[in-house]
Amino acid sequence: GAVVSQHPSRVICKSGTSVKIECRSLDFQATTMFWYRQFPKQSLMLMATSNEGSKATYEQGVEKDKFLINHASLTLSTLTVTSAHPEDSSFYICSASDRGNYGYTFGSGTRLTVV
Amino acid sequence: LAKTTQPISMDSYEGQEVNITCSHNNIATNDYITWYQQFPSQGPRFIIQGYKTKVTNEVASLFIPADRKSSTLSLPRVSLSDTAVYYCLVGEDVDTDKLIFGTGTRLQVFP
Repeated sequence: GAVVSQHPSRVICKSGTSVKIECRSLDFQATTMFWYRQFPKQSLMLMATSNEGSKATYEQGVEKDKFLINHASLTLSTLTVTSAHPEDSSFYICSASDRGNYGYTFGSGTRLTVV
Repeated sequence: LAKTTQPISMDSYEGQEVNITCSHNNIATNDYITWYQQFPSQGPRFIIQGYKTKVTNEVASLFIPADRKSSTLSLPRVSLSDTAVYYCLVGEDVDTDKLIFGTGTRLQVFP
């Protein structure tokens, strides 16, 4: 079945630094990937839609200059949290759509802690 | 996108059947109903999808009445490892294919 690999699984960074999270579709090509954020005991909140070869589409209220998304190939999308602050600490999850079969496969998530 | 309503939480005991109902009154004709399972600190995992009547796979069954305004996920003989959050999603944004998650149902299975 479709596999989405997300890396790193856990990262701790200092306030003010930037962190990059990678999302790879291992056995299929994903023209579209999605990035979610999840706070403890809450549901997943869609942050942005990442489109291969074009600019990402951000949801209302999500700062595009803070959460940089790059989808340079059909198998890789990256989310960079720039100038991270403690309030950016959260669980970030990516998802990819395999349009050949129904399926939204999710990565295993990245736990970001900003200290 | 059709809005979904689920119970916030449910408790059960090992070996029991658990039924989680989701309301989606505004479901569109072309919408499918999909359920995901999420364990703590993991990404959601697809469980089952259906359009109408009943769908069954090795993990669960999905019951959808004729009016499709609700659906019920049935987990037979739950075990402790079924403790998770279950999300009901309806339809897709036909323009962008994005999935919007509702609150989900937190299922706690006790020994």
